[in-house]
Amino acid sequence: ETGVTQTPRHLVMGMTNKKSLKCEQHLGHNAMYWYKQSAKKPLELMFVYNFKEQTENNSVPSRFSPECPNSSHLFLHLHTLQPEDSALYLCASSQGAGRYKSGANVLTFGAGSRLTVL
Amino acid sequence: KNEVEQSPQNLTAQEGEFITINCSYSVGISALHWLQQHPGGGIVSLFMLSSGKKKHGRLIATINIQEKHSSLHITASHPRDSAVYICAVSDETSGSRLTFGEGTQLTVNP
Repeated sequence: ETGVTQTPRHLVMGMTNKKSLKCEQHLGHNAMYWYKQSAKKPLELMFVYNFKEQTENNSVPSRFSPECPNSSHLFLHLHTLQPEDSALYLCASSQGAGRYKSGANVLTFGAGSRLTVL
Repeated sequence: KNEVEQSPQNLTAQEGEFITINCSYSVGISALHWLQQHPGGGIVSLFMLSSGKKKHGRLIATINIQEKHSSLHITASHPRDSAVYICAVSDETSGSRLTFGEGTQLTVNP
């Protein structure tokens, strides 16, 4: 366990379903992130939250809806997804998310949620 | 062309060999990260560096800012080092915006 817990680890859903991915960290970090990792592609940043406020939305389609109720929890709500959205979704946290500061931007990743959209 | 290029894409070594993975980038950065991803998906941050060299156990990371190049070295490699090694760079203006390389798949045979 890295200190960042993701649930569920595996999810299979149809295109009309609504589901949510959950991420929780008990590291006292202030920033949380969602990343997408598709097969044979580099990791892609989706969203960044810093002190519960969304600071980055990397042109993510609206069928992905993030929610950050507090600095320890991050959700990714999924609805009407497409098969090409099948991927590994990784949550991460860091002490801070602002301008580079030694040590503050080191990411701690969760184990990921493997999503398959049928 | 990706902003972050890694080489080689795949690397197979025998146990005990010295391994080098390279990373070149084309943008201004504030820091460079080396990450390790094991089968199953979990990612571990190995190093974050903005200059010079860092060492942790059998792992050494170096960076040359002028040449926009970094290397990850593994000494006395072991089968448990088998994983995907990912290079990522932090944007100059935002430490949170990372651009990732495609990763290097390392397999160390006993």
